Amino acid sequence: GAGVSQSPRYKVAKRGQDVALRCDPISGHVSLFWYQQALGQGPEFLTYFQNEAQLDKSGLPSDRFFAERPEGSVSTLKIQRTQQEDSAVYLCASSLGGTSGLYEQYFGPGTRLTVT
Amino acid sequence: QKEVEQDPGPLSVPEGAIVSLNCTYSNSAFQYFMWYRQYSRKGPELLMYTYSSGNKEDGRFTAQVDKSSKYISLFIRDSQPSDSATYLCAMSTIIQGAQKLVFGQGTRLTINP
Repeated sequence: GAGVSQSPRYKVAKRGQDVALRCDPISGHVSLFWYQQALGQGPEFLTYFQNEAQLDKSGLPSDRFFAERPEGSVSTLKIQRTQQEDSAVYLCASSLGGTSGLYEQYFGPGTRLTVT
Repeated sequence: QKEVEQDPGPLSVPEGAIVSLNCTYSNSAFQYFMWYRQYSRKGPELLMYTYSSGNKEDGRFTAQVDKSSKYISLFIRDSQPSDSATYLCAMSTIIQGAQKLVFGQGTRLTINP
């Protein structure tokens, strides 16, 4: 079956612009995660959803970052008034989670955001 | 000090060599340990997933976890040029039915033909 997909794959934004990054998780996966990966670093946790509920947003770096998953499937990560330090690859992952006892996370290809 | 430490390399070895990749960690609550492979401009791909201490083997890959030393390893036997990638260790606990992964920096590995 299809894996996790993300769009756009590349996004260039001028400083101050708003951006929206989309994630389509694996069908049936309850849990959805967003991570931020800076150049040469490992991914860092941003936020987590179980179905449509955002259960942890402790990793969001500022109130300019906002994520939603209104119907418990597709998720959008929005960054308002982008800054140069927001330049990174934004990775989405999903897992079966919930009561399945299966927690392995499968990642999408990422969206590379460059803020100029 | 980071929760998970991983030597970024780069590491370069000849084809056919045994590769050893390692991570140390400080949080004794971690119970789940993973290795991901990431090719350039791609997302991380899950290679190995282990729970608690011990060894797990899958083909040419062996993962080891030593919780007493807070040390995990990934061994690659008969390394191939296609194994050239960045290898990320990750670990977590289970909170609210999910794992919030904490990653190492990644080790960049090159296998030379």
